[in-house]
Amino acid sequence: DQQVKQNSPSLSVQEGRISILNCDYTNSMFDYFLWYKKYPAEGPTFLISISSIKDKNEDGRFTVFLNKSAKHLSLHIVPSQPGDSAVYFCAASAISSGGSNYKLTFGKGTLLTVNP
Amino acid sequence: GAVVSQHPSRVICKSGTSVKIECRSLDFQATTMFWYRQFPKQSLMLMATSNEGSKATYEQGVEKDKFLINHASLTLSTLTVTSAHPEDSSFYICSADPGGGAWETQYFGPGTRLLVL
Repeated sequence: DQQVKQNSPSLSVQEGRISILNCDYTNSMFDYFLWYKKYPAEGPTFLISISSIKDKNEDGRFTVFLNKSAKHLSLHIVPSQPGDSAVYFCAASAISSGGSNYKLTFGKGTLLTVNP
Repeated sequence: GAVVSQHPSRVICKSGTSVKIECRSLDFQATTMFWYRQFPKQSLMLMATSNEGSKATYEQGVEKDKFLINHASLTLSTLTVTSAHPEDSSFYICSADPGGGAWETQYFGPGTRLLVL
């Protein structure tokens, strides 16, 4: 059962417009949410995060919104740039089943293409 | 920024052989390293958490005798897939945490593509 879901495998937007990437989760124990960006042949790189006690976090062109009641978060990129084209992973943090560490649960990712 | 390397980037092996994958933090010390597995069009799935000098903590459903993890130093963790079979073919990716408790400091390697024939 997928606890973190990114239902859109791909998204295409025009340069300068807003990109909105969505993520839903089912586990109410998640207390921290992160977005990672991944280029081909590279590992994911951290982009932005939000604690469950907040509903918005902004960093430059990137804003993450969290709606706890709906168990939904979204990443807004504005204005979108061609260099933003990559796979974006949503991840959620909770204590691992081993009990001694936090662990990340990832969504399947959304491929964002920003067209010039 | 901090760099994590993995070696090899790709490996093809025969069924029944063992394969070792190395994960190194190049410019920082990592108290904790994580091993993930990703099937095509699927999520990154955490396999185990490795703390330097102690035994790895495996997630439910991951066979610890099948996937041997060693974290002998603060800059190196290894994953050995023992007696590999075709169903072990996957993309394996590690991450390293320098500590401090902030999740954004988890740095990922580029991954290793394993194909078992």
